[in-house]
Formats: sequence, structure tokens, C-alpha cells
Amino acid sequence: DVKVTQSSRYLVKRTGEKVFLECVQDMDHENMFWYRQDPGLGLRLIYFSYDVKMKEKGDIPEGYSVSREKKERFSLILESASTNQTSMYLCASNTGQGTYEQYFGPGTRLTVT
Amino acid sequence: AQKITQTQPGMFVQEKEAVTLDCTYDTSDQSYGLFWYKQPSSGEMIFLIYQGSYDEQNATEGRYSLNFQKARKSANLVISASQLGDSAMYFCAMSPVYSSASKIIFGSGTRLSIRP
Repeated sequence: DVKVTQSSRYLVKRTGEKVFLECVQDMDHENMFWYRQDPGLGLRLIYFSYDVKMKEKGDIPEGYSVSREKKERFSLILESASTNQTSMYLCASNTGQGTYEQYFGPGTRLTVT
Repeated sequence: AQKITQTQPGMFVQEKEAVTLDCTYDTSDQSYGLFWYKQPSSGEMIFLIYQGSYDEQNATEGRYSLNFQKARKSANLVISASQLGDSAMYFCAMSPVYSSASKIIFGSGTRLSIRP
């Protein structure tokens, strides 16, 4: 079974702090994704990566950056956290082949105070 | 631009009844894939079913079926014989199948509650 893990289920940070959200997948997937989920808005894509050291902006990249130094790990970075970044963050991965379904981690609920 | 619309923010259904969750989409792509995901209160997103735009038959997976009407650009999820464990958020999503990075666009979701 595909397993996608995220470093924290719950995280509380202060405004202005640098925040790292880590995601690891164990199925050798080429593609990895970071979404944020807010009530009534569904999931919105922040960044995705289709290979090591490769990244592409999604729909809402402002205020975020990412890092993919190894194939299995994709990190989301909030350089200076703000209260409007309080949200649920979901990481996903897929192979980029076949039917393209994405496999999701359990999510990190981030609160910025 | 691609867009997914789910017009039912919430639904209540009696246990054992069938339920249909609505989804319409907008795309100019000729080839695309449609997905449904379930998100229980625990938070993880669970893949349920996939339909390719060129598939002639509607997809089925156990109690889940996808009512695909290409001309109407609709991809409704049908759950037969609903169970209490079906209570969750349900998201419709779409991806262009030609994309190697497989970007998926999600709708805003429908919260389904099953009454005992």
C-alpha cells in the first residue's frame, strides 16, 4: 500500500515564524503535491514537483516555497507565517502514469497566532 | 480554464438508501480524467473511483458508481445502500490525462450525513 506521511498532525506557530511542513512517500512516486484546504473552498494547489529539485507553482504559491532534495521527500516552507495561512495542509503523491489518482497524507492542521 | 462545481454543500440521507452527489465540470481539453475522493472526519483523503473521458462505460467500484454524462459535463457519484460509515466530505476532481505532472483540480465538496 502507498503510504504518505506528514511530520505533524497539529502545529501552532506564531506570526513571523519560519515553518517547515515535511512530507514523505514510500512508493517511489515521481510527482508530489502540496494543497491547502479551507472550508467552502475545497483543496487548492500550492506547489507541485515532478522530479527531484524540480518544482512548479500551483494556484496559490504566494507566501510559500518548497524543497525537494530527495525523491521521497517534499517540504513546504512558510518563510514568515501569517494568520491567513492558518489552514489544513495536505500532501499527496502519484506516479504520473495510469489513471493519475493521488495518494494523500493525513494532513497537518496549522494554526498561526 | 478548468473548473469543478459541486452545488450541494450538505446532504442528509437515511441509512440503506441510495444517494447521488452532483458534480459538473468545465474544460476545453479533449482528454481528461474525473475522480471522486472521500474525506472522513479523521482528515485523510481516500480515492474512490476514476472515469476517463473516453471510457464508454460508467466506472463502478463496489457500492460506488460514477454516472458520467459527457455531453452535459457531469460526473455524479452514486452510492448504493448507504451506510453510517459513508458520512464524510466528498470531493469531485478532474485532471488532464496528458499531463505528466497530473495536476488535479478539486471541487468545494459535499458533506454527506447518513441518518440511522
